[in-house]
Order: sequence, then structure tokens, then C-alpha cells
Amino acid sequence: QSVLTQPPSVSAAPGQKVTISCSGTSSNIGNSYVSWYQQLPGTAPKLLIYENNKRPSGIPDRFSGSKSGTSATLGITGLQTGDEADYHCGTWDSSLSAVVFGGGTKLTVL
Amino acid sequence: QVQLVQSGSELKKPGASVKVSCKASGYTFTTYSMNWVRQAPGQGLEWMGWINTNTGNPTYAQGFTGRFVFSLDTSVSTAYLQISSLKAEDTAVYYCARRYCSGGSCYSEPWGQGTLVTVSS
Repeated sequence: QSVLTQPPSVSAAPGQKVTISCSGTSSNIGNSYVSWYQQLPGTAPKLLIYENNKRPSGIPDRFSGSKSGTSATLGITGLQTGDEADYHCGTWDSSLSAVVFGGGTKLTVL
Repeated sequence: QVQLVQSGSELKKPGASVKVSCKASGYTFTTYSMNWVRQAPGQGLEWMGWINTNTGNPTYAQGFTGRFVFSLDTSVSTAYLQISSLKAEDTAVYYCARRYCSGGSCYSEPWGQGTLVTVSS
């Protein structure tokens, strides 16, 4: 049972837009920056978004992040088949004194 | 470029021990702490804790005390995860990830390629 809640799966057609939600509480998302990680099949996670909405160099602007209250959202526009992956949100939980992650969301590009 | 390279897959019997290595390159090893993260088959990411690479002080998450030990060899820029008294439920991919902090924000970047530890009789 993950501390942060993500939908198990989302899907959309190539070229379309999709959003992935990440829900938490005031002790984690409500109080800390959120980061997102992309995990392509059979590979290690890779940083996609940090500090809620910032993209590391090399990450296309098709990927965006936002945060409101105790929830965060990852948005992906212009979907490509190469975007099929698991997406994980993460943050710091001040009550647990721990890094916490969501359970991950599997994106299927139909 | 900044890179973390982990040791290869391991197959161990229940009750045995395993030591996973994570060699860093491309940056000053002692500047950033190192996270360890577990991913059981078909599951999400689970933070195990981190080790301060400057002081060697480890911090373990709940559920990862006792059988799990983080250590360092700063002379070769390498962090280690040792798991003792292995159980079948320890079967997972173990990742190291640099804990990058700046201006009050911390995140994991980059990640090692992962080490699959399989515990089976």
C-alpha cells in the first residue's frame, strides 16, 4: 500500500494528451516538492519532473507537472508510442521522515 | 557524465547474504547522499533509506532495519547495500540513486541500472 495514490493505468491514442494524478496529504505533497519518474519497460526510473513543474535538460516540453494542495499532476501532450512506460510520483513525507512514492501508473499509447 | 553503475544480478538461497555495489562517476562522490530503492516484481518503488556519503551515516526507512546495511568505500566512489538472512520476499530489483538536493528540494537523479536479487532454494 503506497503512501501516495496514483491510478494503476491510463491510456490514450498517439498525438493525444493524458494526465496522471498523484494524491497525498498535508504531511507529504501538501508540504514538499513533488518529482516524477519515467520507467520505460525493463529499465531504471529516470527523472522527468522535479520541484513540481521543472524539467531536467533533455526532457521535452511535452511533459509538464503541476501541484495544487495535496495533489500533483503529470501531463503529457503529443503522445508517442515511445512514451509507454510506468510513471511514478515521489516526495518527502515529514510525518514519516521518509521519501514516499506512488504505486506507479502504467501508460498505454493505443 | 554523471553515472551510477551497479553490480550484476544475484541468485541466492534463503538465509544467505548478498552485497550489491553502486559505483559513481562524473561528480564528487561525497557531495551527495545515496538513496537505495527496492522494486519487487510488478510493484512500485519503495524507498529503503539513504547513506550520507560525507559522514557515512546511514538512515534506514521503516521495514529496512536489522538485515539491511548501507556502507561506503569513498576511495573508489562506491556505495554498498548488504542484505543478510535473505528471504524469498527480498526478491526484487534494487536501485541506487543519487540524492540531489538544491534550495530545499531533493530528488533522485540519476539512478543506477538496477540489480536483480533473486532468493530461491
